[in-house]
Amino acid sequence: QQQVKQSPQSLIVQKGGISIINCAYENTAFDYFPWYQQFPGKGPALLIAIRPDVSEKKEGRFTISFNKSAKQFSLHIMDSQPGDSATYFCAARVSSSSGSARQLTFGSGTQLTVLP
Amino acid sequence: IAGITQAPTSQILAAGRRMTLRCTQDMRHNAMYWYRQDLGLGLRLIHYSNTAGTTGKGEVPDGYSVSRANTDDFPLTLASAVPSQTSVYFCASSDLAGKQFFGPGTRLTVL
Repeated sequence: QQQVKQSPQSLIVQKGGISIINCAYENTAFDYFPWYQQFPGKGPALLIAIRPDVSEKKEGRFTISFNKSAKQFSLHIMDSQPGDSATYFCAARVSSSSGSARQLTFGSGTQLTVLP
Repeated sequence: IAGITQAPTSQILAAGRRMTLRCTQDMRHNAMYWYRQDLGLGLRLIHYSNTAGTTGKGEVPDGYSVSRANTDDFPLTLASAVPSQTSVYFCASSDLAGKQFFGPGTRLTVL
């Protein structure tokens, strides 16, 4: 059972355009939603994250929009640049007070290509 | 060392052979994780460890084992490799806030 569904699988955007990647989740206990960026041959790196008490978080050209009632969240990359070309993963986590490892459930990934 | 290191970088392995993927972190994080990454499936958790001396099963643990003798090291062992274990393996650790840091990965091919 895939608890976090991500779309599209691939995305091609012109330089300067807006890239939008969407994720939907099923588990209402999720309370932390990070996005990871992965360049070829590298491990994923945290890009930006949001908690469900806010509807939007912006860091530079990257914005997360969060819709709790629809159980959806999305990543918007404004003024997309060729250097943004990478694979992007959304994820979700249930925060635990029991001390157990804070496991992330990942989406399937979106390969973004920004054309020069 | 800064962050997480993994070894080897890549490996080609005959089916049925035993293989240990190494992971070392220098951030003194208690929690560590092993993921496999397959095209179209994202990252799937294999095993995790809350702290030294404890381990737990993730989403896809079959065919894999882990140990956590100390804080820094978290090796992943394939006792008898099969072709379906061909994948890219990532080790990660998380800080007290739960932010996960990933290693550079090991590309494993089982023939």
